[in-house]
Amino acid sequence: NAGVTQTPKFRVLKTGQSMTLLCAQDMNHEYMYWYRQDPGMGLRLIHYSVGEGTTAKGEVPDGYNVSRLKKQNFLLGLESAAPSQTSVYFCASSYSWQGALNTGELFFGEGSRLTVL
Amino acid sequence: ILNVEQSPQSLHVQEGDSTNFTCSFPSSNFYALHWYRWETAKSPEALFVMTLNGDEKKKGRISATLNTKEGYSYLYIKGSQPEDSATYLCASANYGQNFVFGPGTRLSVLP
Repeated sequence: NAGVTQTPKFRVLKTGQSMTLLCAQDMNHEYMYWYRQDPGMGLRLIHYSVGEGTTAKGEVPDGYNVSRLKKQNFLLGLESAAPSQTSVYFCASSYSWQGALNTGELFFGEGSRLTVL
Repeated sequence: ILNVEQSPQSLHVQEGDSTNFTCSFPSSNFYALHWYRWETAKSPEALFVMTLNGDEKKKGRISATLNTKEGYSYLYIKGSQPEDSATYLCASANYGQNFVFGPGTRLSVLP
């Protein structure tokens, strides 16, 4: 019962390098999200997708790009990593929009810790 | 962007104590509120999804209430156990907007 799987779990990058985080869900969810978690702050939404082929900006989208070519996958890319992007990244998915009773809850992956030197 | 606040930031209680913490959010245009439980080195897991003013939800020893008119939700834990130690997150959304998470309340239950 995989749920939401993120790869890689850990990564160290040098400033200016690029990388892609992969999120895969096996629950046939329409909605997928990428958050970042920084000390003392709540989870902040980077980008999200309301279905295959669609993406939208969240609260802190600068420096990131995303793609949702397949319903089950949501990729987060950093084209030129900066130290300010050192964070723990969480992917989440939901069956329906976030307020829907019993179906709007978010299912999270286990997080990917990224360090940019 | 909504401002969602949680208090206290952290809490230490003895096993068997009951405890509660607060999530505050803007009350205008309220749509929904979620509570999540986040254990160290694991993923956040949903506890409750709440949308109606006056709503009360319960799961075992944990319960939550919602006041959308004044913009707060309480999470209660009755008879805390060490396995309740976790960070409790709330997230609130207005109509047409994405959820905004609070910074969390970190609960430590001492045996």
